[in-house]
Amino acid sequence: DAGVTQSPTHLIKTRGQHVTLRCSPISGHKSVSWYQQVLGQGPQFIFQYYEKEERGRGNFPDRFSARQFPNYSSELNVNALLLGDSALYLCASSLSGGAKNIQYFGAGTRLSVL
Amino acid sequence: AQSVTQPDIHITVSEGASLELRCNYSYGATPYLFWYVQSPGQGLQLLLKYFSGDTLVQGIKGFEAEFKRSQSSFNLRKPSVHWSDAAEYFCAVGRSTGTASKLTFGTGTRLQVTL
Repeated sequence: DAGVTQSPTHLIKTRGQHVTLRCSPISGHKSVSWYQQVLGQGPQFIFQYYEKEERGRGNFPDRFSARQFPNYSSELNVNALLLGDSALYLCASSLSGGAKNIQYFGAGTRLSVL
Repeated sequence: AQSVTQPDIHITVSEGASLELRCNYSYGATPYLFWYVQSPGQGLQLLLKYFSGDTLVQGIKGFEAEFKRSQSSFNLRKPSVHWSDAAEYFCAVGRSTGTASKLTFGTGTRLQVTL
Protein backbone atom coordinates (compact mmCIF):
# COMPACT_ATOMS: atom_id res chain seq x y z
CA ASP A 1 0.00 0.00 0.00
CA ALA A 2 1.17 3.50 -0.77
CA GLY A 3 2.08 5.66 2.18
CA VAL A 4 1.45 9.35 2.56
CA THR A 5 2.64 11.13 -0.56
CA GLN A 6 3.55 14.79 -0.78
CA SER A 7 4.34 17.00 -3.72
CA PRO A 8 6.48 18.68 -4.72
CA THR A 9 9.56 17.35 -2.96
CA HIS A 10 11.42 20.63 -3.11
CA LEU A 11 10.31 24.16 -3.89
CA ILE A 12 12.09 27.48 -4.16
CA LYS A 13 10.11 30.70 -3.92
CA THR A 14 10.84 34.36 -3.37
CA ARG A 15 9.46 36.60 -0.67
CA GLY A 16 5.89 37.73 -1.25
CA GLN A 17 4.98 34.80 -3.48
CA HIS A 18 2.32 32.22 -2.84
CA VAL A 19 2.83 28.45 -2.56
CA THR A 20 0.58 25.39 -2.62
CA LEU A 21 1.69 22.08 -1.16
CA ARG A 22 -0.18 18.86 -1.76
CA CYS A 23 -0.74 15.71 0.25
CA SER A 24 -2.39 12.38 -0.50
CA PRO A 25 -3.21 10.33 2.60
CA ILE A 26 -3.01 6.60 3.02
CA SER A 27 -6.01 4.91 1.45
CA GLY A 28 -8.85 4.77 3.97
CA HIS A 29 -7.49 7.55 6.15
CA LYS A 30 -9.89 10.45 6.63
CA SER A 31 -7.77 12.83 8.69
CA VAL A 32 -4.87 14.91 7.44
CA SER A 33 -2.63 17.10 9.56
CA TRP A 34 0.05 19.55 8.51
CA TYR A 35 3.25 20.32 10.43
CA GLN A 36 6.08 22.79 9.88
CA GLN A 37 9.60 21.68 10.76
CA VAL A 38 12.18 24.43 10.87
CA LEU A 39 15.79 23.29 10.69
CA GLY A 40 16.97 22.04 14.06
CA GLN A 41 13.50 21.96 15.59
CA GLY A 42 10.73 19.45 16.06
CA PRO A 43 7.63 19.64 13.87
CA GLN A 44 5.03 22.26 14.82
CA PHE A 45 1.31 21.63 14.32
CA ILE A 46 -0.34 23.84 11.70
CA PHE A 47 -3.74 22.30 10.84
CA GLN A 48 -5.84 19.21 11.22
CA TYR A 49 -8.63 18.31 8.80
CA TYR A 50 -11.09 15.50 9.30
CA GLU A 51 -13.92 14.64 6.94
CA LYS A 52 -13.14 17.79 4.97
CA GLU A 53 -13.61 20.09 7.94
CA GLU A 54 -10.95 22.03 9.80
CA ARG A 55 -10.73 20.53 13.28
CA GLY A 56 -7.80 22.45 14.66
CA ARG A 57 -5.30 25.16 13.95
CA GLY A 58 -1.92 25.85 15.49
CA ASN A 59 -0.35 29.20 16.25
CA PHE A 60 0.23 30.27 12.67
CA PRO A 61 -0.82 33.50 10.92
CA ASP A 62 -3.76 33.77 8.56
CA ARG A 63 -1.34 33.61 5.64
CA PHE A 64 -1.51 29.85 6.18
CA SER A 65 -4.64 28.09 4.98
CA ALA A 66 -5.57 24.58 3.98
CA ARG A 67 -8.40 22.49 2.70
CA GLN A 68 -9.33 18.86 2.32
CA PHE A 69 -11.01 17.46 -0.74
CA PRO A 70 -13.74 14.79 -1.07
CA ASN A 71 -11.06 12.16 -1.78
CA TYR A 72 -9.39 13.22 1.52
CA SER A 73 -6.33 14.67 -0.15
CA SER A 74 -5.27 18.06 1.13
CA GLU A 75 -3.58 21.29 0.14
CA LEU A 76 -1.64 23.71 2.30
CA ASN A 77 -1.46 27.25 1.01
CA VAL A 78 0.87 29.95 2.21
CA ASN A 79 0.48 33.53 0.99
CA ALA A 80 2.92 36.44 1.11
CA LEU A 81 5.88 34.21 1.82
CA LEU A 82 8.47 35.35 4.34
CA LEU A 83 12.04 34.16 4.73
CA GLY A 84 10.99 32.54 7.99
CA ASP A 85 8.58 30.26 6.16
CA SER A 86 11.55 28.27 4.88
CA ALA A 87 11.07 24.82 6.38
CA LEU A 88 10.16 21.21 5.80
CA TYR A 89 6.38 20.88 5.61
CA LEU A 90 5.11 17.51 6.71
CA CYS A 91 1.75 15.98 6.08
CA ALA A 92 0.41 13.21 8.28
CA SER A 93 -2.66 11.06 7.83
CA SER A 94 -4.64 8.98 10.30
CA LEU A 95 -7.75 6.83 10.20
CA SER A 96 -9.81 9.31 12.16
CA GLY A 97 -9.27 12.45 14.13
CA GLY A 98 -8.73 11.21 17.68
CA ALA A 99 -5.51 11.59 19.63
CA LYS A 100 -5.03 7.80 19.86
CA ASN A 101 -4.95 7.48 16.10
CA ILE A 102 -1.47 6.89 14.78
CA GLN A 103 -0.30 9.65 12.48
CA TYR A 104 1.69 8.44 9.48
CA PHE A 105 3.98 11.01 7.94
CA GLY A 106 5.01 11.72 4.40
CA ALA A 107 8.58 12.60 3.42
CA GLY A 108 7.70 16.27 3.33
CA THR A 109 8.10 19.25 1.03
CA ARG A 110 11.25 21.29 1.52
CA LEU A 111 10.36 24.96 0.95
CA SER A 112 13.09 27.54 0.52
CA VAL A 113 12.13 31.21 0.47
CA LEU A 114 14.76 33.55 -0.97
CA ALA B 1 -0.05 23.77 27.86
CA GLN B 2 1.68 20.54 27.14
CA SER B 3 5.38 20.49 26.36
CA VAL B 4 8.06 17.95 25.58
CA THR B 5 11.70 18.27 26.53
CA GLN B 6 14.52 16.28 25.03
CA PRO B 7 17.56 17.40 27.01
CA ASP B 8 20.17 15.90 24.72
CA ILE B 9 20.60 17.66 21.39
CA HIS B 10 23.29 15.31 20.13
CA ILE B 11 24.46 11.89 21.32
CA THR B 12 27.31 9.77 19.98
CA VAL B 13 27.55 6.06 20.74
CA SER B 14 29.70 3.25 19.43
CA GLU B 15 28.11 0.53 17.39
CA GLY B 16 27.09 -2.31 19.70
CA ALA B 17 26.79 -0.05 22.73
CA SER B 18 23.54 0.54 24.56
CA LEU B 19 21.48 3.67 24.03
CA GLU B 20 19.10 5.73 26.11
CA LEU B 21 17.43 8.89 24.81
CA ARG B 22 15.68 11.03 27.36
CA CYS B 23 12.23 12.58 27.09
CA ASN B 24 10.30 14.54 29.70
CA TYR B 25 6.80 15.81 29.19
CA SER B 26 4.47 18.27 30.84
CA TYR B 27 0.82 17.35 30.60
CA GLY B 28 -1.99 17.35 33.13
CA ALA B 29 -3.68 14.07 32.28
CA THR B 30 -2.40 10.67 31.24
CA PRO B 31 -0.54 11.41 28.04
CA TYR B 32 -0.42 9.57 24.79
CA LEU B 33 3.30 9.27 24.12
CA PHE B 34 5.18 8.52 20.94
CA TRP B 35 8.72 8.15 19.67
CA TYR B 36 9.40 8.86 16.01
CA VAL B 37 12.62 8.57 14.02
CA GLN B 38 13.62 10.75 11.09
CA SER B 39 16.42 9.79 8.72
CA PRO B 40 17.96 12.45 6.46
CA GLY B 41 15.56 13.45 3.72
CA GLN B 42 12.82 11.29 5.14
CA GLY B 43 9.59 11.83 6.98
CA LEU B 44 8.89 10.60 10.48
CA GLN B 45 8.54 6.90 11.20
CA LEU B 46 6.78 5.71 14.33
CA LEU B 47 9.00 3.58 16.59
CA LEU B 48 6.56 2.96 19.43
CA LYS B 49 3.67 4.41 21.40
CA TYR B 50 2.23 4.36 24.89
CA PHE B 51 -1.44 4.87 25.69
CA SER B 52 -2.02 2.93 28.88
CA GLY B 53 -1.27 -0.35 30.63
CA ASP B 54 2.18 -1.92 30.77
CA THR B 55 4.66 0.91 31.22
CA LEU B 56 7.37 -0.84 29.22
CA VAL B 57 6.51 -0.80 25.54
CA GLN B 58 8.27 -2.53 22.71
CA GLY B 59 8.67 -1.02 19.29
CA ILE B 60 10.20 -1.70 15.95
CA LYS B 61 13.90 -2.12 15.22
CA GLY B 62 14.61 -3.42 18.72
CA PHE B 63 13.65 -0.21 20.53
CA GLU B 64 11.75 -0.03 23.79
CA ALA B 65 10.58 2.79 26.04
CA GLU B 66 9.48 3.03 29.63
CA PHE B 67 6.76 5.36 30.90
CA LYS B 68 7.44 6.70 34.38
CA ARG B 69 4.59 8.84 35.62
CA SER B 70 6.42 9.92 38.77
CA GLN B 71 9.24 11.34 36.69
CA SER B 72 7.11 12.52 33.75
CA SER B 73 9.49 10.64 31.52
CA PHE B 74 9.31 8.36 28.52
CA ASN B 75 12.89 7.38 27.73
CA LEU B 76 13.80 5.39 24.66
CA ARG B 77 16.30 2.54 24.91
CA LYS B 78 18.07 0.03 22.74
CA PRO B 79 20.45 -2.63 24.07
CA SER B 80 22.80 -2.66 21.09
CA VAL B 81 22.96 0.13 18.54
CA HIS B 82 23.53 -0.51 14.86
CA TRP B 83 25.16 1.97 12.47
CA SER B 84 21.82 2.24 10.63
CA ASP B 85 20.24 3.72 13.78
CA ALA B 86 21.99 7.03 13.13
CA ALA B 87 19.13 9.51 12.72
CA GLU B 88 17.12 12.17 14.53
CA TYR B 89 14.75 10.96 17.23
CA PHE B 90 11.66 12.84 18.34
CA CYS B 91 9.51 12.31 21.39
CA ALA B 92 5.92 13.53 21.11
CA VAL B 93 2.79 13.92 23.20
CA GLY B 94 -0.60 13.49 21.58
CA ARG B 95 -3.73 15.08 22.89
CA SER B 96 -7.15 16.22 21.85
CA THR B 97 -8.17 19.83 22.27
CA GLY B 98 -11.75 20.59 21.40
CA THR B 99 -12.38 18.94 18.06
CA ALA B 100 -8.71 18.66 17.12
CA SER B 101 -5.99 16.23 17.98
CA LYS B 102 -2.36 17.04 17.51
CA LEU B 103 1.14 15.96 18.34
CA THR B 104 3.51 18.19 20.29
CA PHE B 105 7.12 17.31 19.58
CA GLY B 106 10.35 17.83 21.42
CA THR B 107 13.28 19.46 19.65
CA GLY B 108 14.83 16.11 18.84
CA THR B 109 18.03 14.22 19.63
CA ARG B 110 20.48 13.56 16.85
CA LEU B 111 22.15 10.16 17.22
CA GLN B 112 25.55 9.55 15.72
CA VAL B 113 26.94 6.01 15.67
CA THR B 114 30.67 5.42 15.44
CA LEU B 115 32.05 2.21 14.04
